[in-house]
Amino acid sequence: DIQMTQSPSSLSASVGDRVTITCQASQDISNYLNWYQQKPGKAPKLLIYDASNLETGVPSRFSGSGSGTDFTFTISSLQPEDIATYYCQQYDNPRFTFGPGTKVDIK
Amino acid sequence: QVQLQESGPGLVKPSQTLSLTCTVSGGSISSGGYYWSWIRQHPGKGLEWIGYIYYSGSTYYNPSLKSRVTISVDTSKNQFSLKLSSVTAADTAVYYCASQVVVVAAMRGGWFDPWGQGTLVTVSS
Repeated sequence: DIQMTQSPSSLSASVGDRVTITCQASQDISNYLNWYQQKPGKAPKLLIYDASNLETGVPSRFSGSGSGTDFTFTISSLQPEDIATYYCQQYDNPRFTFGPGTKVDIK
Repeated sequence: QVQLQESGPGLVKPSQTLSLTCTVSGGSISSGGYYWSWIRQHPGKGLEWIGYIYYSGSTYYNPSLKSRVTISVDTSKNQFSLKLSSVTAADTAVYYCASQVVVVAAMRGGWFDPWGQGTLVTVSS
């Protein structure tokens, strides 16, 4: 099985700050990596697919990069509405495992 | 725009079978190009993929749950369903249905979009 790890598990940042989350796979997953945003009490929402492709309608302050085992998710300028938990998800292996999540708060 | 909505009992007794249905609107399950998935989230925890079905009826399940899971599809009603047998308190979770794109170039399921709103199922006597 492919294990996904994320760091940090949580962070606090100020409005306007640049926020970076990393996701690491236990083996090479090429670019088969997606990112989701989950707000409290809501379903996850797709933000980034194939490591770096922005889903239609998602603000351009969100971006992703990486390939192989190491991936990065960035919010270029944190907004109050970005308070949420962010998950990475691999699809190289058909167990479609998710990372444990990174909770983002406003400082 | 495709929308998904879960329905089913919110309370299930231990050892019984959990049954949920996902109704798809705004698009046809039979149109192809998508797997129809179930995903769950234990309270305050991360996300676990349960399994998927294609409109043709072919299925694939998470090996950790495979012995207890059945996913079926009713194309006439544009619905797909989840049955999880012999439930315990460990199966208490929010259950989501989701559409998973078939990534043709990679010959595999890819990202999940959209998702239903989720339904909390509690296993308790």
